[in-house]
Amino acid sequence: DIQMTQSPSSLSASVGDRVTITCRASETISSYLNWYQQKPGKAPKLLMYAASSLHSGVPSRFSGSGSGTDFTLTISSLQPEDFATYYCQQSYSSLGTFGQGTKVDIK
Amino acid sequence: QITLKESGPTLVKPTQTLTLTCTFSGFSLSTSGVGVVWIRQPPGKAPEWLSLIYWNDDKRYSPSLKSRLTIIKDTSKNQVVLTMTDMDPVDTATYYCAHRHGGYSNYYYFDHWGQGILVTVSS
Repeated sequence: DIQMTQSPSSLSASVGDRVTITCRASETISSYLNWYQQKPGKAPKLLMYAASSLHSGVPSRFSGSGSGTDFTLTISSLQPEDFATYYCQQSYSSLGTFGQGTKVDIK
Repeated sequence: QITLKESGPTLVKPTQTLTLTCTFSGFSLSTSGVGVVWIRQPPGKAPEWLSLIYWNDDKRYSPSLKSRLTIIKDTSKNQVVLTMTDMDPVDTATYYCAHRHGGYSNYYYFDHWGQGILVTVSS
């Protein structure tokens, strides 16, 4: 199985901050990497697919980059509605494993 | 507009079999490229992929749970059913079904999710 490791596990930030979350795959996965946002009590929502493509309706302050084993999700200017947990998920294999999550909370 | 909704028991006893139904609208599981997945999330933990069924009835299972899982579809009812045998307290989780976009491509993703159903395993 491909293991996905995110860092940090949690971070505190203020509105307006630039936030970067990292995801590392245990083997190369090209650009087959998706990002999701989850708020408490809700299902995950797709943010990015294919590492750097913005899903329909997602604000442009979200961006993704990377290929191979190392990927990043960046929020250029954190907004109040962005406080949530973020997960990466590899789509290299049909068993689409998720990272352990990064919780972004208010400083 | 694509919607999905999970239904089934919210409490099961250890060793029992869990049967969950995903009822969806806005797409057809007879359309080429379409898939429906089941994903679970234990409280406070990351999502875990369980099973996938394609439009052509091809199926995939998590290797660690394969012996316990069965997925079927009823295209006429727009439903996908997941059964999990021999339930254990560690299987307590919110179970989600989701629409899988991308067919057999590696560029697939889960773009629409159900609200989830919390299943507790306890005697």
